[in-house]
Order: sequence, then C-alpha cells, then structure tokens
Amino acid sequence: DVVMTQTPPSLSVAIGQSVSISCKSSQSLVYSDGKTYLHWLLQSPGRSPKRLIYQVSNLGSGVPDRFSGTGSQKDFTLKISRVEAEDLGVYYCAQTTHFPYTFGAGTKLELK
Amino acid sequence: AVQLVESGGGLVQPKESLKISCAASGFTFSNAAMYWVRQAPGKGLEWVARIRTKPNNYATYYADSVKGRFTISRDDSKSMVYLQMDNLKTEDTAMYYCTMGSFAYWGQGTLVTVSS
Repeated sequence: DVVMTQTPPSLSVAIGQSVSISCKSSQSLVYSDGKTYLHWLLQSPGRSPKRLIYQVSNLGSGVPDRFSGTGSQKDFTLKISRVEAEDLGVYYCAQTTHFPYTFGAGTKLELK
Repeated sequence: AVQLVESGGGLVQPKESLKISCAASGFTFSNAAMYWVRQAPGKGLEWVARIRTKPNNYATYYADSVKGRFTISRDDSKSMVYLQMDNLKTEDTAMYYCTMGSFAYWGQGTLVTVSS
C-alpha cells in the first residue's frame, strides 16, 4: 500500500499567518494517464471532510485562493496564506492513483 | 447541488450484519464511481470500498481490512449506493461516509457501532 506521510502532525498559528503542510508518498503518484491524483482535504470540527485541492494544484469549487498546492511525484505541499478562523481543523492528503486509496494521518491546525 | 445522504447506521453486536445506504442527488448518478470511507472515533480517514459504473461492469474494490466481509453495490434506477457489512468486528466501529468524484463530495456520515 502507498504510505502517505504528513508533517507536521499539528500546527499552532495566529490569524493572518501563513503555513505549509508537507505530504510525502512512498511511491510516485503519477498515474498511467500522466496525471497525479493527490488531493488535500479539510475536516473542520464535527463536520464531514471537504476537498480543497485536487490533482496536486487545482482549487476545489468555492475554495478561497488563499489555499494552494504544489509538488510532483512523491513530494507535495499545501500552503495556506493568511490563515483565517474558518481554516482551523484537520488537513489530510489523499491519493487515488493506486489501490487501495490511502490518506495521510492528518495535520491539526489550531489557533495560537 | 450534489447531495449525498447516508442512513442505516446503528448499534450491532460482533459477528452481526448491517447494511447502510447512501441516497445521491444533484448529478448523473449512473456516470459516477462511488466510494465509502470510514473514520473510527478520534482517528483518521480510511478508504473502504469503490464501485464503478455500468460501462465498467460495476467493478468493485475493497480495502484489505474489509475484503470478504463487506460488499458495495449500487442501484442506478434509485441513485443509491449500499454497503453490506457482514461478520462485523469491534474495529469496524466508525462513522461511514459516502463520497464521490475523487472525494469532491461527501455525505454527513452514518455511525456504525459494533459492541457487545
């Protein structure tokens, strides 16, 4: 199975600060069609997950452009510019290139 | 708007069975692969199963942890997807989410508790 390693496990931030979360996979996430199926999700407290970024760098519908995703092959980063209160929760990276689909363990973003 | 509404969760004893459902609306259901993802209390996300569309022979895929015990199915005429869970174990206790579109859309989840 593809292991998704997220760091850091938690982040304490002030409103307005910028942060980055890393996600590294144990195998390349490039599919045979040339696309990379690496996604970022946010689960706010008590809520279902919400997809923020799909295929490394594409912003999901209605997602503010404070969020951005970069990376390739096995190394990916989610950046949040100017954190707002609504951004708090647990961030997950997820891959749908290889079966079984797998998720990172999560990064908990909290207020400082 | 896309809506996914899960139902059918509850409390069951180990080795018992349960079938949970997901009602979909707001998109062409027959064209969409559907997934189940679960989350044990206080834990992270775990992909459980996937079912493809009719042109892809309704192919199914399972996590090793549920293979042979869980069965995913769909009814395109009703825009429903199901998860039949047999021989349940305490470690299957989780919130079960229905999702689609490479995790673009999620339901609110249905809680399955396996306990004696």
